[in-house]
Amino acid sequence: NAGVTQTPKFQVLKTGQSMTLQCAQDMNHEYMSWYRQDPGMGLRLIHYSVGAGITDQGEVPNGYNVSRSTTEDFPLRLLSAAPSQTSVYFCASSYHRGLSTDTQYFGPGTRLTVL
Amino acid sequence: GIQVEQSPPDLILQEGANSTLRCNFSDSVNNLQWFHQNPWGQLINLFYIPSGTKQNGRLSATTVATERYSLLYISSSQTTDSGVYFCAVEAGGSNYKLTFGKGTLLTVNP
Repeated sequence: NAGVTQTPKFQVLKTGQSMTLQCAQDMNHEYMSWYRQDPGMGLRLIHYSVGAGITDQGEVPNGYNVSRSTTEDFPLRLLSAAPSQTSVYFCASSYHRGLSTDTQYFGPGTRLTVL
Repeated sequence: GIQVEQSPPDLILQEGANSTLRCNFSDSVNNLQWFHQNPWGQLINLFYIPSGTKQNGRLSATTVATERYSLLYISSSQTTDSGVYFCAVEAGGSNYKLTFGKGTLLTVNP
């Protein structure tokens, strides 16, 4: 199993540009999520999905869009990049236990810089 | 929302020493996980432990849900234990939303 994969590893954008961060998992996990990690802030949840066709907002959703058309893929779209979105982005996946998440598996991260 | 506080924020050890990391949370939880982020940025799940005690080699964890805290024990530390340790909780009623603490930065010197 490849686990959770993310592309690209690094990206530099100019203010106003759009882009999509890719996330894929091959563990047949129902739950997938996106986090951003900023210095001294820990990880903050952006969006999550509990299955194909179902997404919801996390703690910091503004400026980001998601969709989930398959179990395997959960892309994160930046609609109009801003310097405040400079961060490291992590994708995670898990099974779920009832109405709760299970052990989380993280991808390697994408380091994004917005100039 | 739920508050998660980790202590200490920084910890420096000599190889072979033991340590205890603490995670306090402000509300009842139905999910608590500990993670290690290595110096290359990779996040690895250590424990899924909403209550009780678990052990995995030199690491063990205990969560006392009624008193709203969890402890991560590292025994006989090695340089490869260096990195940031995060606690993350899912509050009761906040289904599927993990809230992370700010982490404990552990440095183990040879």
